[in-house]
Amino acid sequence: RKEVEQDPGPFNVPEGATVAFNCTYSNSASQSFFWYRQDCRKEPKLLMSVYSSGNEDGRFTAQLNRASQYISLLIRDSKLSDSATYLCVVNPNAGGTSYGKLTFGQGTILTVHP
Amino acid sequence: DADVTQTPRNRITKTGKRIMLECSQTKGHDRMYWYRQDPGLGLQLIYYSFDVKDINKGEISDGYSVSRQAQAKFSLSLESAIPNQTALYFCATSDGEGYGYTFGSGTRLTVV
Repeated sequence: RKEVEQDPGPFNVPEGATVAFNCTYSNSASQSFFWYRQDCRKEPKLLMSVYSSGNEDGRFTAQLNRASQYISLLIRDSKLSDSATYLCVVNPNAGGTSYGKLTFGQGTILTVHP
Repeated sequence: DADVTQTPRNRITKTGKRIMLECSQTKGHDRMYWYRQDPGLGLQLIYYSFDVKDINKGEISDGYSVSRQAQAKFSLSLESAIPNQTALYFCATSDGEGYGYTFGSGTRLTVV
């Protein structure tokens, strides 16, 4: 089982749609969680951290379910500019060989069309 | 100026050549990382360093070496480049455990 798994998509949605991405992680001791956004041929950029109580930033909402080892990202009122690859990122923070390194999912591709 | 700067941005080199990719940062972070990204494979960790005197291998370190010349500088070398090292290379920094990474703009390397 991969440490971080995402549905690769692609997701093709019209402007204004609501879209949700899911991600599962294998290490139950993981402590920190993030969503990154990556545009084509550009560097990944931090979109938002994911907190245990869930958090919202404008049109974006992130949720964490520790019991199911599951993270989600919800995008409301999609814009053309939201088209990108979204990376689910986990910090195992479990010591040993995982210490200090983030684990990246392969990414979910989103295309928002007019 | 960018917080994390990578040079060169693009490079084409021949098989067997030695090549160095450079990374410098102004964020004052102790932790630095080198990743490569291939289509469909996501980001793979090559090497990382938590301090000037600390160097650690990542998942795919074979064929690569690194040097941490200073807190702000972390360079990646391909000792003898081969075509399957053609990829997009990213340098990243982190402020510590529990923090996300800041990435450089990447180096697109082509080995012919």
